[in-house]
Amino acid sequence: DARVTQTPRHKVTEMGQEVTMRCQPILGHNTVFWYRQTMMQGLELLAYFRNRAPLDDSGMPKDRFSAEMPDATLATLKIQPSEPRDSAVYFCASGLVPSVTYEQYFGPGTRLTVT
Amino acid sequence: KQEVTQIPAALSVPEGENLVLNCSFTDSAIYNLQWFRQDPGKGLTSLLLIQSSQREQTSGRLNASLDKSSGRSTLYIAASQPGDSATYLCAVKEWNTGFQKLVFGTGTRLLVSP
Repeated sequence: DARVTQTPRHKVTEMGQEVTMRCQPILGHNTVFWYRQTMMQGLELLAYFRNRAPLDDSGMPKDRFSAEMPDATLATLKIQPSEPRDSAVYFCASGLVPSVTYEQYFGPGTRLTVT
Repeated sequence: KQEVTQIPAALSVPEGENLVLNCSFTDSAIYNLQWFRQDPGKGLTSLLLIQSSQREQTSGRLNASLDKSSGRSTLYIAASQPGDSATYLCAVKEWNTGFQKLVFGTGTRLLVSP
């Protein structure tokens, strides 16, 4: 049963601490997306990778956020330093390009609370 | 800039009712439109995907339609059940500087009571 996995599922941290979220895309998928979901803004795209290369991170606050793909089975999203306004659910999704539908498959999310 | 709106924001119905969720988008140049379901504290589950050349898709009690020219989609749920209670999100896929981008609506929170 192929699915996207994310760790940790929940994270509570204090303001100023570094947070690292991890995502394992579905084996064979060559695209990875990071989204953030908040009550106010809904779901927003933060970053997009294809074949491990970042193609778009225009939705990401550059001063504190960074996204990488050390290898094809791992994507990371880091926040340093974290702030209370970063509290949200962070979703990773993966997909295959090209394909007929370009469908994205979502992980369960990491719920981040910054106090 | 593409904007996706979902109406109503919340809906409460008794079990057995047929219901319609609405989604509208401002830019009709889309690749496809997708409906997702999100249960509290969970990720997104894809329900139906309609390509831009299609008019509708059906899966079980769900039927989604797409009118690209008017920028609208509807999700019809027949004979609703308490297990259908969840937030329903629509998302349009568009080309953005060479890659496929999903733009989400803010969702409709559905409660089906027994």
